[in-house]
Amino acid sequence: DTAVSQTPKYLVTQMGNDKSIKCEQNLGHDTMYWYKQDSKKFLKIMFSYNNKELIINETVPNRFSPKSPDKAHLNLHINSLELGDSAVYFCASSQRDRNTEAFFGQGTRLTVV
Amino acid sequence: DAKTTQPPSMDCAEGRAANLPCNHSTISGNEYVYWYRQIHSQGPQYIIHGLKNNETNEMASLIITEDRKSSTLILPHATLRDTAVYYCIVRVGGFGNEKLTFGTGTRLTIIP
Repeated sequence: DTAVSQTPKYLVTQMGNDKSIKCEQNLGHDTMYWYKQDSKKFLKIMFSYNNKELIINETVPNRFSPKSPDKAHLNLHINSLELGDSAVYFCASSQRDRNTEAFFGQGTRLTVV
Repeated sequence: DAKTTQPPSMDCAEGRAANLPCNHSTISGNEYVYWYRQIHSQGPQYIIHGLKNNETNEMASLIITEDRKSSTLILPHATLRDTAVYYCIVRVGGFGNEKLTFGTGTRLTIIP
C-alpha cells in the first residue's frame, strides 16, 4: 500500500487551462502539505492543512486553491496555468502532535506549454 | 527560521562510511534537526531526527555537537543506492505551524 499517493504523475497542459492534482494518504495523519520543487530543485512549502483547516499559506498566488474534503485527502487546483507553474509538486502528510517525520508522495511533474 | 549550511557535494566510496556535515549555528533550544534525502525524481524521504542527543536508526546515525550548532549524518556502509541529495533541516514552529524549510542540500555520490 502506498502511504501518500498523488495523481497524476505527469501532467502536460496549455497555458490558461485549469487543472487539479489529487493527493491521498492512508497513514491516518491529521496534517497534509503541498510542496513545490522548481527547475532549480528548490523545494518549498506551499500549503498545510490540519484536520481540513488551512494552517500554512506561503505567499502562493490565488490561482492555487487547495481543497481538503477530509483528513485523508488534499487536492490542489490551479486556475489559469502559467509557464512559471511548471514544476514538480509534492504532497506530504504528518501527525501534528508528534515530532515525527513527514511522508512524501512521489510527485506530480506539471509542464505548462 | 534557523538556517542550515551544507557542502554542495561530496563523494564517498561504496562500503565506506559517509559523513555529511551541517551547520545550524542559530538553532533555538526547542528546534529539532531533521535529515531527509531525495533520490533522483522521487519524493523526499525521512532519514533521522534529533534534539540534542545522538540518535541511531536502521538507516543512519546522527551526531549533534554539545552546543547544538552543528551535526553530522553518518551512513555507516554506503551503497550505490545512497546516491541522493541530503537535506539538513531545522524544524520550525510549534503545534499547527510545522513546516520543513529545505535548503540546497548536499549531493552525495557513492563511487563504486
